[in-house]
Amino acid sequence: EAGVAQSPRYKIIEKRQSVAFWCNPISGHATLYWYQQILGQGPKLLIQFQNNGVVDDSQLPKDRFSAERLKGVDSTLKIQPAKLEDSAVYLCASSLDPSDYEQYFGPGTRLTVT
Amino acid sequence: SQQGEEDPQALSIQEGENATMNCSYKTSINNLQWYRQNSGRGLVHLILIRSNEREKHSGRLRVTLDTSKKSSSLLITASRAADTASYFCAVTSGTYKYIFGTGTRLKVLA
Repeated sequence: EAGVAQSPRYKIIEKRQSVAFWCNPISGHATLYWYQQILGQGPKLLIQFQNNGVVDDSQLPKDRFSAERLKGVDSTLKIQPAKLEDSAVYLCASSLDPSDYEQYFGPGTRLTVT
Repeated sequence: SQQGEEDPQALSIQEGENATMNCSYKTSINNLQWYRQNSGRGLVHLILIRSNEREKHSGRLRVTLDTSKKSSSLLITASRAADTASYFCAVTSGTYKYIFGTGTRLKVLA
């Protein structure tokens, strides 16, 4: 089966610009996650969707980050305006449902903010 | 804040040796998982151990969980160069909250 797809793979922007990332989960996976992974650290959960509803966005900086999962399939994560500290790899993952704890990760988008 | 903390931060061993890495966490958990991340790639799920389990095996992997000490260990036996990667523990607590540790960077020398 096809894995989790993410695009773009790399993005370089200047601070105060905006950027958007796209994720297409594995077909049939109801749960979708966005993580931020800063170099040398573990992934930090930003937001978790169950179908098209938000389950947890407690660590999402809502003043600049937004995410949506229209139609309960693919999802976009947006940053506006970007800050230098947003430089990181943004990982998308999906799982069949919250009780099926195995997550499948995409390759990530490496964001550099200059 | 990150709950899972791996130890050691980095580990270098010879091919064929065993590699052991540890994870400690702070609160009660539903389960604990281990993931592998190759350089520049996404994470791959290795094994899950539930809070009522003490030990689990999968191929060359052996995971133990001690909920009284809030710690887990991952043992990779007969390591190979292809095992070179970063290894993360992740705990789920409350309602499916995933919290990853800081990772152990394993290097297996051929």
